[in-house]
Amino acid sequence: DSGVTQTPKHLITATGQRVTLRCSPRSGDLSVYWYQQSLDQGLQFLIHYYNGEERAKGNILERFSAQQFPDLHSELNLSSLELGDSALYFCASSVDSQGDTEAFFGQGTRLTVV
Amino acid sequence: LAKTTQPISMDSYEGQEVNITCSHNNIATNDYITWYQQFPSQGPRFIIQGYKTKVTNEVASLFIPADRKSSTLSLPRVSLSDTAVYYCLVGERISGGYNKLIFGAGTRLAVHP
Repeated sequence: DSGVTQTPKHLITATGQRVTLRCSPRSGDLSVYWYQQSLDQGLQFLIHYYNGEERAKGNILERFSAQQFPDLHSELNLSSLELGDSALYFCASSVDSQGDTEAFFGQGTRLTVV
Repeated sequence: LAKTTQPISMDSYEGQEVNITCSHNNIATNDYITWYQQFPSQGPRFIIQGYKTKVTNEVASLFIPADRKSSTLSLPRVSLSDTAVYYCLVGERISGGYNKLIFGAGTRLAVHP
C-alpha cells in the first residue's frame, strides 16, 4: 500500500458525460501529479500541483481540469468524455526522503467510456 | 526537459543479472535520474535514484558515468516476479517533489524460467 488513495477504483460512463476522480496523497506530501495511461501505453503526464498551486502542466486536454484543495487532496475533472478517454488514471504524491525524491502512486481509477 | 531513450523490450532468465541502459543526452545540471517499475494495472513503484557515479540499494544498482548522458539500472539475479515495465526518468528535483515527472516509453522486461 503506497498510502495514496484514489477513488473510485472503477468508473463506467457514457460519452459526453463528466466525471470527477479523486486523489488523497500520503500524509504530509504536498505534491500531487496526475497521469493518464491508455491500454498498453506509457504514462502521460497531465498536471502537477504543489501545496494548492499548479506547478506544471503536461499534455492535458482543455476538457480536463484539476485542482488541489487546502487539505491537499486533489480532483481531476474530465468533461465531454469521448471513447478515447478510456484509460487508467493515476495520481502520485511525492516527498523528499533520505536524499531521494520518491513519488508514490495510487492504484489508479479505471475509466471506461461507452 | 531531458528526453530519455530505452530499449523497448528485453528478455532474461531467472537468476541472471539484467542491465537496462537509458540514454539522456541533454540532461541538465539539476536533473536527477530515477527508475520506476510498473506491473500491469498497477501504479509505478520507485526503484532507485541517483545523480552521479553509483548508487545501490536493496533491490538494484544504478550506474551513472561522469558525463551523465546515460545510466544503467542493474537488477541482480532476477526472478519471474521481476517481469515488468521499467521506466527511466530524468527530472529536476525541487522542494517536495519534481518540477515535472515525465515517463518515457519504458523497457518491458520478460524473465523466463
